Amino acid sequence: LAKTTQPISMDSYEGQEVNITCSHNNIATNDYITWYQQFPSQGPRFIIQGYKTKVTNEVASLFIPADRKSSTLSLPRVSLSDTAVYYCLVGGRSSNTGKLIFGQGTTLQVKP
Amino acid sequence: GAVVSQHPSWVICKSGTSVKIECRSLDFQATTMFWYRQFPKQSLMLMATSNEGSKATYEQGVEKDKFLINHASLTLSTLTVTSAHPEDSSFYICSADRTSHYGYTFGSGTRLTVV
Repeated sequence: LAKTTQPISMDSYEGQEVNITCSHNNIATNDYITWYQQFPSQGPRFIIQGYKTKVTNEVASLFIPADRKSSTLSLPRVSLSDTAVYYCLVGGRSSNTGKLIFGQGTTLQVKP
Repeated sequence: GAVVSQHPSWVICKSGTSVKIECRSLDFQATTMFWYRQFPKQSLMLMATSNEGSKATYEQGVEKDKFLINHASLTLSTLTVTSAHPEDSSFYICSADRTSHYGYTFGSGTRLTVV
């Protein structure tokens, strides 16, 4: 299973764009990259998933370079409610190709 | 969207008793569910993989006789913490694999406190 490395914490201010980078040097050919958000005392919530290049949805963008050894989650114009822990995971899209192992995550603190 | 319901959301039990936590996929069938444990300010730790109709697969270091997992139907997996002790106090989270969609769906978690 590919191991991921993220910054332990990040600070930002309301209205700013936040980019969280994740390293996954040993990513396998069939691995997808998925980001989750977790608030205290809640289960993780799916944010975005991608395989290569760029993926965008209504809440975030995911940038993946050609070598796929890293990825960057981009949160546009964060608000206080975006304060949470963000996890980057790599693995198969379904349980048939792998289980999800969580790394340490990045604690994002958004300040007013 | 896909919903995974976890019950109870919190439970307090006496040391030595057993506690059952339920994880249900409400609008989809899940042949595979996962159980995690999370201690304060730590990441989620995978405990076991629950497969419908077969024995669960436990991660190294997780006692299968203490954490009993049953996945009797495509929408329900249960985790029973047997003979609970204060060190078992933690936040337990389940997730289900919805193979036709992106990502895994997680339950809201169960806060277990053993006194």
